[in-house]
Amino acid sequence: SAVISQKPSRDICQRGTSLTIQCQVDSQVTMMFWYRQQPGQSLTLIATANQGSEATYESGFVIDKFPISRPNLTFSTLTVSNMSPEDSSIYLCSVSTGMTSPANTGELFFGEGSRLTVL
Amino acid sequence: SQQGEEDPQALSIQEGENATMNCSYKTSINNLQWYRQNSGRGLVHLILIRSNEREKHSGRLRVTLDTSKKSSSLLITASRAADTASYFCATDGYSGAGSYQLTFGKGTKLSVIP
Repeated sequence: SAVISQKPSRDICQRGTSLTIQCQVDSQVTMMFWYRQQPGQSLTLIATANQGSEATYESGFVIDKFPISRPNLTFSTLTVSNMSPEDSSIYLCSVSTGMTSPANTGELFFGEGSRLTVL
Repeated sequence: SQQGEEDPQALSIQEGENATMNCSYKTSINNLQWYRQNSGRGLVHLILIRSNEREKHSGRLRVTLDTSKKSSSLLITASRAADTASYFCATDGYSGAGSYQLTFGKGTKLSVIP
């Protein structure tokens, strides 16, 4: 299993500013994912962040808007840049301890999320 | 594209009753997972069922999988007020960017009335 700490848990931000969300895991994990959950909606994958390589972004998400760092196997950050009200969402960090192949999919462990409100 | 689609979108039952939620998906899978999300919290893994399994139990949870119909159901027996949450199914696969990932459905919001 894995315990994930996310900071901040919530924040209110002004339009045009940037905010960095931190994700700390209590064990070393290879695969880390950043999701966005808009109010009342499901989760949408932003990017996959593996240590030692560039993050892989999903369609509709770009590095300039959501830069990600993954300096080691227990930590990652997601920055939401130049925020607008449309970026108001919950951002969730998650990790897999067993997803090494389609035949060995592991469960995902999630942080508590960071609720961003952009005014 | 979104894989899982749950129904109903919302379900309200009395404490002690059973709750059944359904999930349909579009392409072949290796496994399907169910997660719970309490209001304002992160997701918690409930159960994983592999494509070669038809039924799985965990405490008061029972999950079935019908790969021919590309559907799964989650049954919560003898529900409790603490079961009030949103429930999501998630299917594995490759994203458009080529990353292996889980894709989540839209969820069923369950309310258990004491």
